Amino acid sequence: EPEVTQTPSHQVTQMGQEVILRCVPISNHLYFYWYRQILGQKVEFLVSFYNNEISEKSEIFDDQFSVERPDGSNFTLKIRSTKLEDSAMYFCASSFNRDRGNTIYFGEGSWLTVV
Amino acid sequence: AQRVTQPEKLLSVFKGAPVELKCNYSYSGSPELFWYVQYSRQRLQLLLRHISRESIKGFTADLNKGETSFHLKKPFAQEEDSAMYYCALGTRQLTFGSGTQLTVLP
Repeated sequence: EPEVTQTPSHQVTQMGQEVILRCVPISNHLYFYWYRQILGQKVEFLVSFYNNEISEKSEIFDDQFSVERPDGSNFTLKIRSTKLEDSAMYFCASSFNRDRGNTIYFGEGSWLTVV
Repeated sequence: AQRVTQPEKLLSVFKGAPVELKCNYSYSGSPELFWYVQYSRQRLQLLLRHISRESIKGFTADLNKGETSFHLKKPFAQEEDSAMYYCALGTRQLTFGSGTQLTVLP
């Protein structure tokens, strides 16, 4: 079964550094998402992306975050200047459409630790 | 605003016992609800969704609009059911509950 893949699985970075998390969505999917889960807290929606632009974003997704689909396969999340509170598991997800009954498939996550 | 509440952070049952994981939601429109499962060190996987009214791995969930609930049930729990279970609401973006860690004891 096709899967969403994410790299790296774990990254440690110093506060203030830029981080890029990478994702390869399922190949025929058109909608892409990033979610995050701070340790001990809920999985939270960050952003959705369709047709090479952001379609929705949450309050969490402020100016330090950006997303990009640099080529036909990768979907990236960039955090420009990391803060301690950005430490979390970041999940990439994709779906074929957004109709009722649609399934969103998640990757295994990238664990980001900011020190 | 939409909200999902899973009141139990931890739930332990013995193998063969019935299990019910509670989920309540708050949503003004016609809700679309899901249960996702996360086994140890693995990805979030869709377990079931209310719109298809299916049973997966013996689990079922019925949407009760009057009680705004979507509880997950299984009549006979198995040890391999031990995992984190998340109730989620939405289509364009999912709102997750805080999750319930289910442990099935031998």
